[in-house]
Amino acid sequence: AQTVTQSQPEMSVQEAETVTLSCTYDTSESNYYLFWYKQPPSRQMILVIRQEAYKQQNATENRFSVNFQKAAKSFSLKISDSQLGDTAMYFCAFLAGTASKLTFGTGTRLQVTL
Amino acid sequence: GAVVSQHPSRVICKSGTSVKIECRSLDFQATTMFWYRQFPKQSLMLMATSNEGSKATYEQGVEKDKFLINHASLTLSTLTVTSAHPEDSSFYICSASMGGVNEKLFFGSGTQLSVL
Repeated sequence: AQTVTQSQPEMSVQEAETVTLSCTYDTSESNYYLFWYKQPPSRQMILVIRQEAYKQQNATENRFSVNFQKAAKSFSLKISDSQLGDTAMYFCAFLAGTASKLTFGTGTRLQVTL
Repeated sequence: GAVVSQHPSRVICKSGTSVKIECRSLDFQATTMFWYRQFPKQSLMLMATSNEGSKATYEQGVEKDKFLINHASLTLSTLTVTSAHPEDSSFYICSASMGGVNEKLFFGSGTQLSVL
C-alpha cells in the first residue's frame, strides 16, 4: 500500500516571498504519478502540478515548481512570488500506474500574509 | 479544462431521510468516477470507485448499503446517503477520470451535507 506524508500541518509566508511545502511517499511501484492539489476556502480541488515518475525533469507551472527526488521518495512544492490567492490547503497525492485511485496526504495549510 | 458539476452544493436534511448527490462530467465521458468524504480540516478519504455500467467498489469500512452509488451513464454518477444520521454530516466530493486515463482527474465542487 502507498502512503503519503506531509509533515507540515501549517505554513505561513509573506506576499512575494518563496515557500516550500514538503511531501514524502512510500511505494514499491516503479510507475506512478505525483500531484499537488490546492483547496482554497471554496473547497474546490484544483490541480496545481503533476509529475510523472519516469521523467527526471522537475515539473513547473508558472510560479509553481517541484523538487522530485525519486530515490529519496520526496516531492516538494515550491511557490515563488507568493500571492494572497495562494492561501489554501495543499494536498500532495500519489497515483500508482497500475491503480485507479489517488492517495492523499494529510495536507498543509498555507497562509500568505501581507 | 474539463468540467465536473456536482449538485447540490449544500443540503440540510432531517435524520432518517435519504439524500442524493449528483456528479456530472459536462464535456467528456467519464468511465470512472470516485466519491470522497472530507471531514473539517482533514484530508480526502476515498469512499468508493464507480465504473459505468457496473457495481461500485467500496473502500474498507464504507457501508455500501448506506452509501448507494449508481453510475448509469458515462456522464453521471450519483451517491445516495440512505437513512442519514448526524454522523453522516460531512463534505462529499466526486471526481471523474477522463477517458479511462486515471492521471487526468477532475473534481466536482463538493457537497456539504448537514443532517439534523
